[in-house]
Amino acid sequence: GENVGLHLPTLSVQEGDNSIINCAYSNSASDYFIWYKQESGKGPQFIIDIRSNMDKRQGQRVTVLLNKTVKHLSLQIAATQPGDSAVYFCAERDGGFKTIFGAGTRLFVKA
Amino acid sequence: DTAVSQTPKYLVTQMGNDKSIKCEQNLGHDTMYWYKQDSKKFLKIMFSYNNKELIINETVPNRFSPKSPDKAHLNLHINSLELGDSAVYFCASSHEPQGRGKNIQYFGAGTRLSVL
Repeated sequence: GENVGLHLPTLSVQEGDNSIINCAYSNSASDYFIWYKQESGKGPQFIIDIRSNMDKRQGQRVTVLLNKTVKHLSLQIAATQPGDSAVYFCAERDGGFKTIFGAGTRLFVKA
Repeated sequence: DTAVSQTPKYLVTQMGNDKSIKCEQNLGHDTMYWYKQDSKKFLKIMFSYNNKELIINETVPNRFSPKSPDKAHLNLHINSLELGDSAVYFCASSHEPQGRGKNIQYFGAGTRLSVL
C-alpha cells in the first residue's frame, strides 16, 4: 500500500490566517520530499521540496518542516489567500526510483 | 507555451473500446510519467520512461501500454476499456530520473476519461 499521508482531509482557514497542512510517512529510507498544489481542473504544481538532511526550508510564504524522528512533514502557508484554495499533496521519494504521493489535503480559504 | 500538454482533455467512450492519450513536453526533460488519479484524488504512478526506456512499470493491467517514440513524447494506449478505468490521467516530466538528485515533476492538465 501507499506509505504517505492519510485519507483526504479538509482544512478550512480564514483569509489572512496561517495554514498548516500535515503529512505522515512511514518509510525511513525516504530521502526527498516534495509538496505539490493541485487547483481544480489542473495538474499538480510544485511548491517546495526538502531533502532528508534538512529539517526546515522556506520559500515565498511557504515553509516545509521535516521531522524524521516521527516521520512527519508539514507545509506552512503564511497569510493564506483565496488563491491558496486547492488540494495539497506531500510526496516522498522512497530512496529508490519511485515518488509516492500522499492522499492529499483540501484547503478551503474563507474570505 | 504549455510545458506539458496532453490530448484530449476529455474522453468519453464505451466499455470495450480502445483509446489513446497523447503527451508531449517541451521542457527538454529526460523522464516522463503517467499517473492515474481516482475520484478521491489519490494519485498513483503507472509508468515512467527515461530517454525512451521504461524504468517504472507499476502493477497495472496489461491493457495499458505506454509508448515513447522520443524523449519528448509519452503516449498511453488502453485496450478493452472497463468502467474502473474511469479516472483522470496525468502526464508529467522531470529533468532527473527518480532516485538521483532532485525530482521536481511538471504535470499536464490531465485527461478525464469516462467509460460508460
